[in-house]
Amino acid sequence: RKEVEQDPGPFNVPEGATVAFNCTYSNSASQSFFWYRQDCRKEPKLLMSVYSSGNEDGRFTAQLNRASQYISLLIRDSKLSDSATYLCVVLYSGGGADGLTFGKGTHLIIQP
Amino acid sequence: EPEVTQTPSHQVTQMGQEVILRCVPISNHLYFYWYRQILGQKVEFLVSFYNNEISEKSEIFDDQFSVERPDGSNFTLKIRSTKLEDSAMYFCASSVGGEVNEQFFGPGTRLTVL
Repeated sequence: RKEVEQDPGPFNVPEGATVAFNCTYSNSASQSFFWYRQDCRKEPKLLMSVYSSGNEDGRFTAQLNRASQYISLLIRDSKLSDSATYLCVVLYSGGGADGLTFGKGTHLIIQP
Repeated sequence: EPEVTQTPSHQVTQMGQEVILRCVPISNHLYFYWYRQILGQKVEFLVSFYNNEISEKSEIFDDQFSVERPDGSNFTLKIRSTKLEDSAMYFCASSVGGEVNEQFFGPGTRLTVL
């Protein structure tokens, strides 16, 4: 069974604050993990892939905990433009044939 | 930066009609996908396509759906006899494949079935 669970929010956060999201996935055989962001009525855009060692891209840090089957995203010094829905996404096998499994997303609102 | 493109951006059709949604994947990508997102719900995988054939499909992708790569650039999704519940955003995506398999999405086609 392939499920990805996220807190839907909304998270209302003042500009400049740090915010963190978690998500959990059900299938321990999962291969790859991603965070996408989706603006209202737009396509999902790849924010970052999540590696076992954790990875950072500017103000964004992603962590993977395979033992507990959860993924996190930390946003530091949040900007108004960070307001979006953040989608936790899991790929169950590598190669290319398999489709992505999406969570429902966490809605983030950055307030001035 | 190369992008996935999709046409039309919005398609309105009557129930029972056939629709064809079109996508141009990123040119050096090998794997192509269709997803859908019903308003207010999560993005759902429909089908993956590689080397001119379907690689995987979800239970949503029943006999009313088909995909085709009619030439070297386009990738199409056909819905044979649309139902009201087919109303959704349909996203095309493409990737180079590989272990991590990052997939890049087009802007979507909003399908409205009346």
